[in-house]
This record gives sequence, structure tokens and C-alpha cells, in this order.
Amino acid sequence: DTGVSQDPRHKITKRGQNVTFRCDPISEHNRLYWYRQTLGQGPEFLTYFQNEAQLEKSRLLSDRFSAERPKGSFSTLEIQRTEQGDSAMYLCASSSRTGSSETQYFGPGTRLLVL
Amino acid sequence: AQKVTQAQTEISVVEKEDVTLDCVYETRDTTYYLFWYKQPPSGELVFLIRRNSFDEQNEISGRYSWNFQKSTSSFNFTITASQVVDSAVYFCALSEAGYGGATNKLIFGTGTLLAVQP
Repeated sequence: DTGVSQDPRHKITKRGQNVTFRCDPISEHNRLYWYRQTLGQGPEFLTYFQNEAQLEKSRLLSDRFSAERPKGSFSTLEIQRTEQGDSAMYLCASSSRTGSSETQYFGPGTRLLVL
Repeated sequence: AQKVTQAQTEISVVEKEDVTLDCVYETRDTTYYLFWYKQPPSGELVFLIRRNSFDEQNEISGRYSWNFQKSTSSFNFTITASQVVDSAVYFCALSEAGYGGATNKLIFGTGTLLAVQP
């Protein structure tokens, strides 16, 4: 399977703990996105990488959130001192731009529950 | 500001019925892109279609068809002869045109839950 993969698929943690999620994009894609989806809502943009450079961050991404993409390959999203409000599905997408647009392909997501 | 509205929260149909999912968007850009994604219970978003703002031709792919009308800022999705496997949440999304390092982040609607009963 050469699609986007995410690990873990599910994570249960206690409030105050740190968690880290991993995303492996489609191998030839240089652009990578993180989104967050809460119950009954559409995904919301968190941050975006072009190769290893993080070029945009949403205001949703508080100081407790950090994302990296070393060497422009896989990406990690870390949440420090988790809060119950962080419970959501975290989705990763990758793409390769053609002209002024692109199609983003999504991974299966990591479902986070903070107790 | 960009916005996508999917007014239908839930739709229930019986198998073989046709169903249309509505999507209305707002943007001040002259060049933009519209998308539909399907999210089955497993959670993974599956890409269905991308259209750019300069191409108002309707598109048909098997049982799926899309109607893009700039005059009403709508990009509706019709499933003909629905099947139980079509049951999912369907999202409409919008992105602006990006150049260089600019993002093509997606702005999603709240989704429409389609339930197809056997």
C-alpha cells in the first residue's frame, strides 16, 4: 500500500501527558498537511510543510502543539500537557502540486481521547 | 473570508434512490478549487473530485455526477441509484489558488451524513 499512513491509529491518554503522532506521506509528495477533526465537524487546518519547511500554522495550533518534518519525509505532531479539549481525530494529508492547485490525499487518522 | 456550507446534516434514502448533496461556498478569489471527499465509518477521507473555478462543465463518473454553478456559488453532488456502500459522511471543500510556497489548505464544510437503507 503506497498511501498515506499514520501511527498510532488510536491513542488514549490522561490529561497532562504528552503524545506524539507520526505521518508517513506518499513517497513522491513534497507537501504535507495536518488537520484536526472533532465530532460532527469537518477537518480544520492545523499546519503545512513544503519539504522540511513549516510554512504556515493555524491559530488553532497553540503553544502546546509542535510539528516537525525532518528531511522532508515523515512528519510528527506532538501535543504537550494534553487537555480534554484536544480529544479529536488528527488527520494527515500529502500532495504534490501541479500548477496552482493540488489534490490532498489523506491518511486514516489518529483518534485521540484525553481522559 | 472563505466558507463552505453544507446545509443538509443528514439524509436517509432507500437503496436505488437518487440523492443530491448540496454545497454552497463563499470566496473573494477569482481562482479557486472545489473538492468532494467521502469519509466512511473507518474515518479515512477519500478524494472524489476536484474542479477549478474556470471549468463549469458538469462531470459524471459512473453513478456520481457533479453540478458546478458559479452564478449560485454551488457545487452539488448527485449519486444515482444509491447503494448501501455509499453510506458515509460527504464533505465539500474549497481551496484558494496557491503559488510558490503558498498553502492550498482546504476549507471544509460540516459534512452531510448519507444513510442508504437496504
